[in-house]
Amino acid sequence: KNQVEQSPQSLIILEGKNCTLQCNYTVSPFSNLRWYKQDTGRGPVSLTIMTFSENTKSNGRYTATLDADTKQSSLHITASQLSDSASYICVVRVASGGSYIPTFGRGTSLIVHP
Amino acid sequence: NAGVTQTPKFQVLKTGQSMTLQCAQDMNHNSMYWYRQDPGMGLRLIYYSASEGTTDKGEVPNGYNVSRLNKREFSLRLESAAPSQTSVYFCASSQQGEKLFFGSGTQLSVL
Repeated sequence: KNQVEQSPQSLIILEGKNCTLQCNYTVSPFSNLRWYKQDTGRGPVSLTIMTFSENTKSNGRYTATLDADTKQSSLHITASQLSDSASYICVVRVASGGSYIPTFGRGTSLIVHP
Repeated sequence: NAGVTQTPKFQVLKTGQSMTLQCAQDMNHNSMYWYRQDPGMGLRLIYYSASEGTTDKGEVPNGYNVSRLNKREFSLRLESAAPSQTSVYFCASSQQGEKLFFGSGTQLSVL
């Protein structure tokens, strides 16, 4: 069972609309959570990081939230643009024997239509 | 700013052939990783190297070997390629599991 679950698996929205992507995790001990954006044919790129003490963090039109009690995070995209079409991946960092192994969700594929 | 450089970008192999994927990073990161990405499966960890001189198995290590040649370079070897290894391979580096920096990927087809 994947320890980082993302929903929805895919999403289609119209340009200019808002959307919210979800990430639930069960991994522990929790260190931090990152959202990555992966454009088609490219490697993922980090959008934002959430640590245990942070509830909300914004990066331009992207706003991430974290509820460490319920182990849930969301990524809200405001006023979507065609360039937002990509896969969004939630990655949780755990501590394992002194080395840190990021645990990946399977991603949400977002398509923004004009 | 090179970041993480992977070679080759594309490769076609016949079943049973061997090859090595090369990866180098210029950010002085301690940790390096090899992932494969298949449709619907997300990124899965093959092997990682927490620091120079150490390597460990990830989620899907069977059929692969790795070498951490020095702090900069981390190679992935397929000794006898199988069709199930058709995938997109990504190398990444980080400082102790913090923000990952990815290469541009290698698209491998095994016929």
